[in-house]
Amino acid sequence: GAVVSQHPSWVICKSGTSVKIECRSLDFQATTMFWYRQFPKQSLMLMATSNEGSKATYEQGVEKDKFLINHASLTLSTLTVTSAHPEDSSFYICSATRSEKYNEQFFGPGTRLTVL
Amino acid sequence: GNSVTQMEGPVTLSEEAFLTINCTYTATGYPSLFWYVQYPGEGLQLLLKATKADDKGSNKGFEATYRKETTSFHLEKGSVQVSDSAVYFCALSPNQAGTALIFGKGTTLSVSS
Repeated sequence: GAVVSQHPSWVICKSGTSVKIECRSLDFQATTMFWYRQFPKQSLMLMATSNEGSKATYEQGVEKDKFLINHASLTLSTLTVTSAHPEDSSFYICSATRSEKYNEQFFGPGTRLTVL
Repeated sequence: GNSVTQMEGPVTLSEEAFLTINCTYTATGYPSLFWYVQYPGEGLQLLLKATKADDKGSNKGFEATYRKETTSFHLEKGSVQVSDSAVYFCALSPNQAGTALIFGKGTTLSVSS
């Protein structure tokens, strides 16, 4: 149990377009989902925390108008990179927690975004 | 505040060598501790965890013991394999609802045959 999926697994887009990444908890209800960004050979940087039905909480330095997060249900959160530019190219990873085991996060496989 | 410090890599070993990757933490309260592994091009996989002092997490030959007195959670394996080549992340959970894990910077392990 506790499987998290992401879609797409990789995407290539043109500069100026928007890209939506989905994060789903497949077999549990996720009270909280997290979005991370990882640059090559670096650690995970927390971008935002999202709770179902409420606005996401963004980390300092993360542009909320650039990275739109929607947590519409207990099993789905989406990250939309708006007006993407090459510097947005990165590996985006989501994770989810369950209400009864909030000290344990389950990670998705990641989405590789390349902006041309 | 909460933080995790990992030894700098890369770590390069021959097959069957002994592995230690150091991890220390600072935390308020009583955190849970984790080791995650990331293989090239993939997401993170939980390797092992410990939720209280003196707990030992183990999996696939890897072990780590939660040492409160030294605020450490060092990862060890007695005999590494080429397939263990990956990036290893030490992480801490403050055990508060809605709070993300705090990661170390990661240590790259390269094992040669």
